[in-house]
Amino acid sequence: GQQLNQSPQSMFIQEGEDVSMNCTSSSIFNTWLWYKQDPGEGPVLLIALYKAGELTSNGRLTAQFGITRKDSFLNISASIPSDVGIYFCAGQFSGSQGNLIFGKGTKLSVKP
Amino acid sequence: NAGVTQTPKFRILKIGQSMTLQCTQDMNHNYMYWYRQDPGMGLKLIYYSVGAGITDKGEVPNGYNVSRSTTEDFPLRLELAAPSQTSVYFCASRDQGAFNQPQHFGDGTRLSIL
Repeated sequence: GQQLNQSPQSMFIQEGEDVSMNCTSSSIFNTWLWYKQDPGEGPVLLIALYKAGELTSNGRLTAQFGITRKDSFLNISASIPSDVGIYFCAGQFSGSQGNLIFGKGTKLSVKP
Repeated sequence: NAGVTQTPKFRILKIGQSMTLQCTQDMNHNYMYWYRQDPGMGLKLIYYSVGAGITDKGEVPNGYNVSRSTTEDFPLRLELAAPSQTSVYFCASRDQGAFNQPQHFGDGTRLSIL
């Protein structure tokens, strides 16, 4: 089945660092979404992107919908301990009844 | 603010047993979805529904059945549990109001088949 290429797979952060992750696809999407999942919980929506080139912020989070509509990135500035978790990108095709294709996730951990 | 509620949270089944995973939402959303999440993987769509009485297959429907008799409820049924169905199952819903409204997820059901 189709899946997005999300990278990096995992990363370790120290408090205050900036974080960047991205997703690429061979297919064109009309919507990109970024979710965060904490242990034992379901994914929670962080940012939704609806237009190619769109740059959207949500507090310390910034995400962009790539011009080609085949990629998206998420940046987290000045990370804090509660940023730890798994971040998923998801793409939605036009006319797909809202069905989402998910990346495999980027696991954010705190450096010991 | 219940949102999407899934029960049970955890369950262990023996091979060949059957069970129903429950999902209910109180947001009057027409669209509902069932996903499974395997370790280290993203979510994969099992079944979805665009309204009461209407269901359709997703990417990985084999071994599962669904029904949608009301707007609120979208149960997922495993008839003959197999070890390959050990996974975390998530239910989601979204508003029909605008086509690209994002999905809202429940907290999941962790299912082990032994």
